[in-house]
Amino acid sequence: DQQVKQNSPSLSVQEGRISILNCDYTNSMFDYFLWYKKYPAEGPTFLISISSIKDKNEDGRFTVFLNKSAKHLSLHIVPSQPGDSAVYFCAARGAGGTSYGKLTFGQGTILTVHP
Amino acid sequence: DTEVTQTPKHLVMGMTNKKSLKCEQHMGHRAMYWYKQKAKKPPELMFVYSYEKLSINESVPSRFSPECPNSSLLNLHLHALQPEDSALYLCASSQSPGQASGYTFGSGTRLTVV
Repeated sequence: DQQVKQNSPSLSVQEGRISILNCDYTNSMFDYFLWYKKYPAEGPTFLISISSIKDKNEDGRFTVFLNKSAKHLSLHIVPSQPGDSAVYFCAARGAGGTSYGKLTFGQGTILTVHP
Repeated sequence: DTEVTQTPKHLVMGMTNKKSLKCEQHMGHRAMYWYKQKAKKPPELMFVYSYEKLSINESVPSRFSPECPNSSLLNLHLHALQPEDSALYLCASSQSPGQASGYTFGSGTRLTVV
């Protein structure tokens, strides 16, 4: 049973517009949520994270929103650039016990930004 | 140096072979991880080493044997693998276990078992 889900396999956006990537989770025992970006033939690269006690974190063009009641988070990229084209993974960190520190990843969303 | 280096980048091995994957970082990170990623699937955790000690084994079959010789090196020894073990094997490190600011991943080793 997948605890972190990204239901959109792909997203296509025009350059300069907003990209919104979504992620849902089922386990309340996560204390941090993270977004990673992956180019072909490279490992995932950390983008931005948010603590479960916050509802928004912003870093430049990237903003992550967390809705705990809906168990939903989203990554907004504004403005989108062609170099943002990559696979985006949502990840959640286990809060305690045997899951402490363990990252669980979603399936990924392929973002394509068209010039 | 802010990288995690994995070697080899590609590996083809037979089911009776013994091979090893290597991972190295010089960032002073004290936690290191092995992940396995199949095509169109998310990375799945295999092992966690914390301060050079194995802290998490996600019920990985014994044909995968991790080793952490020192704080900078992580190996994954492979023996008697099956074709379904073909995947991208990713190594990662972090300052401490489960560091919220994220892990640093290597580029991975693309393993094909024939």
